[in-house]
Order: sequence, then structure tokens, then C-alpha cells
Amino acid sequence: NAGVMQNPRHLVRRRGQEARLRCSPMKGHSHVYWYRQLPEEGLKFMVYLQKENIIDESGMPKERFSAEFPKEGPSILRIQQVVRGDSAAYFCASSGARGREKLFFGSGTQLSVL
Amino acid sequence: SQQGEEDPQALSIQEGENATMNCSYKTSINNLQWYRQNSGRGLVHLILIRSNEREKHSGRLRVTLDTSKKSSSLLITASRAADTASYFCATDFNDYKLSFGAGTTVTVRA
Repeated sequence: NAGVMQNPRHLVRRRGQEARLRCSPMKGHSHVYWYRQLPEEGLKFMVYLQKENIIDESGMPKERFSAEFPKEGPSILRIQQVVRGDSAAYFCASSGARGREKLFFGSGTQLSVL
Repeated sequence: SQQGEEDPQALSIQEGENATMNCSYKTSINNLQWYRQNSGRGLVHLILIRSNEREKHSGRLRVTLDTSKKSSSLLITASRAADTASYFCATDFNDYKLSFGAGTTVTVRA
């Protein structure tokens, strides 16, 4: 299966811990997007990355959140010192080129903060 | 800010019936996309309609776009139990950012 792979599927953290979410884009895709979804809501854009570059992080909170997409390996969304309000489903999507065409989504990581 | 707004929020229909949901948006777009999300899963792309198109078909799906009213509709014909899901419209915020609505939850009863 060459789809977008996210892991873990479920992540439980206590307040103050760090959460690391991983995303491997579809084979051949170099554009990665992270979205957050709260219950009963649509997806909210967080960050757009190309290999080794953050293109747009305007949807990401300024503090505690960071993202990277290294030359080798998956994209990582890192949340430091998690709080209960960070509990959500985090989805990664990829595309083959920058543009307005369709995105391919992973199955998401459900983060629960206790 | 969020562009797409789906209506209705929820829809319950009998298997075999048609399901129609609408999406309204605020600013001009280059294209509009519809996605489906099954419970606990990621989004799956259904169809993309460009701003210069008025109607598009894909299997049992029919999408219309009215740029003068800034609205789109998704019609699912002859619904099946497997169509039970949430459906989202997404508009291109700029040349890479999609803006999603809160979705329409469709339940198809056997």
C-alpha cells in the first residue's frame, strides 16, 4: 500500500508530556500538509511543508507546536507540553505538486490528553 | 477563515433514495472539491470541479457549481449503506491551502 501512512493511530499523553506524530507521504510526493480536526468540526489547516522547508505554518499555534519534513524520513508534528485542548484528530495529507489539486489523506492520529 | 459551509448538518435517508447536500462559500475560488470521511478514518477525495465548470459526474455522484451564488451541491443517487459517512466540501484558500466546512453527516438506513 503506497498510501499516506500515519502513526501512531492513537496516542495518549498526560498533560505536560510531548506528543510526536509521524507521517510518511505517498511515494513520490514531496508536499505534506497537516490538519487538525475537533469533534463535529471540519479540518483546520495547520502547516504546509516541502522537503526540508516549512512553506506556511500560519495555522499552527506559535508556542509548543513545531513541524518538520527532513530530507530522509517522515514528516513529524511535535507538540510539547500538551494540554487537554490539544486532544483532537491530526491528519496528514500529501500531494505530488504544489497546487490546488486533490490531497491524499492518511488515517489520522487521535491524540488524547489526560 | 473557514470558507465552505455545508448544509444540512445531518441527513438520514432510506437505502435507494437520493441524498443531496449543499456547500456555500464566501470568496472566489479556482476549484471546489468534495471529500468523504468514514468514521475514524481519513478523508477520501471524491470529485473536483473547477470554477469554469457547472456540473460534473462521477459514478453515482453529481456535483454542481454556481459561482454567481457561491454554492455547490453534491448529489448521491441510489444510496447504499456504504455511503454512510461525513461529506465535506473544500475550497482552495490559495494555491495550496484547502478550507474545509464542518461537513454533512449522511446516514443510509437499510
